[in-house]
Order: sequence, then structure tokens, then C-alpha cells
Amino acid sequence: GAVVSQHPSRVICKSGTSVKIECRSLDFQATTMFWYRQFPKQSLMLMATSNEGSKATYEQGVEKDKFLINHASLTLSTLTVTSAHPEDSSFYICSARKTATYEQYFGPGTRLTVT
Amino acid sequence: DAKTTQPNSMESNEEEPVHLPCNHSTISGTDYIHWYRQLPSQGPEYVIHGLTSNVNNRMASLAIAEDRKSSTLILHRATLRDAAVYYCILRVISGGSNYKLTFGKGTLLTVNP
Repeated sequence: GAVVSQHPSRVICKSGTSVKIECRSLDFQATTMFWYRQFPKQSLMLMATSNEGSKATYEQGVEKDKFLINHASLTLSTLTVTSAHPEDSSFYICSARKTATYEQYFGPGTRLTVT
Repeated sequence: DAKTTQPNSMESNEEEPVHLPCNHSTISGTDYIHWYRQLPSQGPEYVIHGLTSNVNNRMASLAIAEDRKSSTLILHRATLRDAAVYYCILRVISGGSNYKLTFGKGTLLTVNP
């Protein structure tokens, strides 16, 4: 199979602090990983695309200095929400694309609550 | 971005077939049609994808219209575990072999026991 994990599954942090979310492809290599955000009763919104070893490409309207993405290896990408505020509370979902194929697999998501 | 149109919601009865429609009139020749589904508080799960020909796998079948402007996801026998939001997505190439999946609102499928 193709499994993508995320850690933590849920996190609560105080306003103004930073939180890091990890995304791992457990049994395949992923040159490209994606980060999505989903608010309650809404669809997934693509935030950024990250390629291993290079800078992430952010979608229009997504602050790159606030949502730091690192894709240091073929199996790990991290999203750091800096200076989090309550409006950043959301369900963050990562996705990994198998290298050299068009198959894209999603992680289980991370529920972030900023108090 | 290429867009898809799906009904907001559909209902089905357990063990009956379900046909989930999707319109994608602006599809281009290289766009693949992907279907994912999402259960509450979970990440999307891949269901099926196709380009021109109908496709079958263990989860579902995908019927693609001859002009490719619409497609239908077919669940042959719905179960309660099939209750989810189903997303029809066009995989649009964005340079070389790069692409991104843009999610629409999807169809909320309710399965009645």
C-alpha cells in the first residue's frame, strides 16, 4: 500500500506560539508533497506544494512567512505555523505523490486549535 | 483551474447501486478525472481515476462520457461505510509532469440502512 502519516493528529497551542506538523510517506518516496487546509464544512484548500530539496510553492493568498514548509527528505515534509492565532485553527492535511507516478495519497490530517 | 460540478448531496439505500455524477465541460485532452472520498475528520481516500476509457477497481467503477465532459462514479452496492463526501477532481498538468489536485465542494453521500 501507500501510507502517509501525520504527527500530531491533534494539537492545541496558545496564541502567539508556533507549532510544527510532520508528514511522512511510510512506504514510498515522495518527491512532491502538498499541504491543504480545511475549515469546518468546507472543502480542502491547497496551501502549498513542496518539492524535496527546494523551496515550496505557495498558492495565492497563503503567507509563506507564516506557514513554513520544509521538505528535507523524500519521505518527510514539515509545516510550521508561526505565531499562531485563533483564525489559524483548522484541519491541516498533507498529501504525498509517489515519485515518477501520478498517484497521490493523503495523510489522516492534523486538527490544530489555537486558544 | 479546470472546474467540476457535482450535486451537493445524494441519498442511497444500503446494498443498492449509487451513481454519482460530475460535470467537467472545460476538461482538456490531458486532464485525468480523479475521484476521492473523505469521511469526517479524516484525510481524503483515493477511489479511482481515468482518462478516456471506463475504469473498474475493487472500490468502484468510473464511467466517462464519450466527449469527456462528464463522468459518473458508480458504487455497485452501497454500504454504510460508503457514506462520505465524494470529490470529483481534474488532474491538471501544470508544467512538465507537475500537477495539483484542486478540490471542489463534492457530493455528500448519505446511505440509509
